[in-house]
Amino acid sequence: ETGVTQTPRHLVMGMTNKKSLKCEQHLGHNAMYWYKQSAKKPLELMFVYNFKEQTENNSVPSRFSPECPNSSHLFLHLHTLQPEDSALYLCASSQEGSGLNSPLHFGNGTRLTVT
Amino acid sequence: LAKTTQPISMDSYEGQEVNITCSHNNIATNDYITWYQQFPSQGPRFIIQGYKTKVTNEVASLFIPADRKSSTLSLPRVSLSDTAVYYCLVGDRATGTASKLTFGTGTRLQVTL
Repeated sequence: ETGVTQTPRHLVMGMTNKKSLKCEQHLGHNAMYWYKQSAKKPLELMFVYNFKEQTENNSVPSRFSPECPNSSHLFLHLHTLQPEDSALYLCASSQEGSGLNSPLHFGNGTRLTVT
Repeated sequence: LAKTTQPISMDSYEGQEVNITCSHNNIATNDYITWYQQFPSQGPRFIIQGYKTKVTNEVASLFIPADRKSSTLSLPRVSLSDTAVYYCLVGDRATGTASKLTFGTGTRLQVTL
């Protein structure tokens, strides 16, 4: 149990489908993140939310749309994806603030396959 | 941003001590060093974090020399379950710059009998 729960664990979708990934953290953290991990590649940061406000968007294509309704929940809405978007999508949370060095807490990810 | 360099892979036998060294030559004054462990199809898991000298917890030790240009993660008496990828990250977490932390390719540790 990591304190960060991601659903679903596995998802297969066609290129014309619309689906959403969900992340929930039970750690009382104020920042949440989406990362993408493709096969044999380093983790890539996609989006960062601090206190529900998006503070980072690392040039992610618009077919990925994040939503953070509150500091405990984070969604990644997917539409019109490409096969190269197949990857492990990881959610993380942390406590950000002055003087803190809180590590990132990751969920176990959603394994996405785009057909 | 401080760039890190780690060996791509390491092999060890069960019961041995494993030391994984990470180079970070341009580490900044406010940067901390953090190590994560990742098993296949799981998210990375925090192992240990330090700023200087030595830090020890129930899982590992982290050795940081005075110039802080490198760090060594030490895993005592590894078991098969320690087979994983280990990431070294350097960054200033105190000012809320977690987004600036960059995961490299990590070190793939393979433990065998």
